[in-house]
Amino acid sequence: QSVLTQPPSVSGAPGQRVTISCTGSSSNFGAGNDVHWYQQLPGTAPKLLIHDNNHRPSGVPDRFSGSKSGTSASLAITGLQAEDEADYYCQSYDSSLSGYVFGTGTKVTVL
Amino acid sequence: QITLKESGPTLVKPTQTLTLTCTFSGFSLSTSGLGVGWIRQPPGKALEWLAIIYWNDDKRYSPSLKGRLTITKDTSKNQVVLTMTTMDPVDTATYYCAHRYCGGGSCSNYFDYWGQGTLVTVSS
Repeated sequence: QSVLTQPPSVSGAPGQRVTISCTGSSSNFGAGNDVHWYQQLPGTAPKLLIHDNNHRPSGVPDRFSGSKSGTSASLAITGLQAEDEADYYCQSYDSSLSGYVFGTGTKVTVL
Repeated sequence: QITLKESGPTLVKPTQTLTLTCTFSGFSLSTSGLGVGWIRQPPGKALEWLAIIYWNDDKRYSPSLKGRLTITKDTSKNQVVLTMTTMDPVDTATYYCAHRYCGGGSCSNYFDYWGQGTLVTVSS
């Protein structure tokens, strides 16, 4: 079961900016654990999109950015493109569970 | 280049034990800090972390599934094996193995490389 809460869906027109929230708790984000984001295109494995709150792996466009504050985090996509239509998951480490936790997932639709 | 690939049965019967193997290349699980984890995703649902094994044989399991899971490694074969007992139709999912990031002398709790996943269906 998911410990991190995300909105089920967000949508936007091409070129717009959308944000995805990820709500955690005192045992994950609040304990100082970082947030990481994954993009999952239909029928494929998740791909690392943002790590350590706001770092993009090589090859990830700078249209994607992340942030974390307190027990919440967010992913922003600026200049939305058709190819960004996918599911997005946040992830962190939970100190109480001594394990990894994922978000509930958000489907991004490009109108 | 790091790659991982999952293998195992595509169909198991309820109450049976599932054994999945993750075969990887491009790194050694004897390297300090490294880990290989298992994550699953039921059809149309979210990702769920299952277990992780670290270079020093430390193991962590999802509390909700602890007792049903066993994770082991064979460093010489570059393999990690996940066993899940008492399978139920709700365990139908795509199972992924993934590499825990370590680089530049430090490690972080995220997965930077994933296998393609293997779909396991639980049905009689």
